[in-house]
Amino acid sequence: GEDVEQSLFLSVREGDSSVINCTYTDSSSTYLYWYKQEPGAGLQLLTYIFSNMDMKQDQRLTVLLNKKDKHLSLRIADTQTGDSAIYFCALRDGGYNKLIFGAGTRLAVHP
Amino acid sequence: NAGVTQTPKFQVLKTGQSMTLQCAQDMNHEYMSWYRQDPGMGLRLIHYSVGAGITDQGEVPNGYNVSRSTTEDFPLRLLSAAPSQTSVYFCASSLTGGGNQPQHFGDGTRLSIL
Repeated sequence: GEDVEQSLFLSVREGDSSVINCTYTDSSSTYLYWYKQEPGAGLQLLTYIFSNMDMKQDQRLTVLLNKKDKHLSLRIADTQTGDSAIYFCALRDGGYNKLIFGAGTRLAVHP
Repeated sequence: NAGVTQTPKFQVLKTGQSMTLQCAQDMNHEYMSWYRQDPGMGLRLIHYSVGAGITDQGEVPNGYNVSRSTTEDFPLRLLSAAPSQTSVYFCASSLTGGGNQPQHFGDGTRLSIL
């Protein structure tokens, strides 16, 4: 089955850029997503990219997709303390109505 | 709009007890799903539904039942609770199951089985 890998922790200084990485195994995924989870809350969709795109930018967020290497990244520019959260990479599973999630990357932003 | 509402927010059960986790959405979404979140494992799909009267199994369906008698509600039933079912449970919905439809998540139910 599909496997989605993320590093578990990332620590950045306030104002710097954060880059959260994700690798996956199934090349048939048509949509790839980034979700944010704040403490005690559900998941919030941040952005998504269609598999025929290489890059998508949305304000401070930039998503890069390298289909050859099966690598997805989320760059957050000018990282703020409010960006501290867990970030999940997720893929639409080929022909099925379900999302496959990575384990999540905990982003800590320090002054 | 309330979005996706889950109740209860917290629950403690004894092994062998049964209970129902409630999920309701007021967005007229066809697609609803249940996930469990465990440390270091992300979210795993338990069951999903593409419309009223239609349900299907996800990755980890054992020990759980669902039904979808209305568009709005998608309850998750634990038949005989086991400690391995201690987890945080999330319900999600989207307009359809299509990939360009964002899933809206509830705030979760934190369940402990003793």
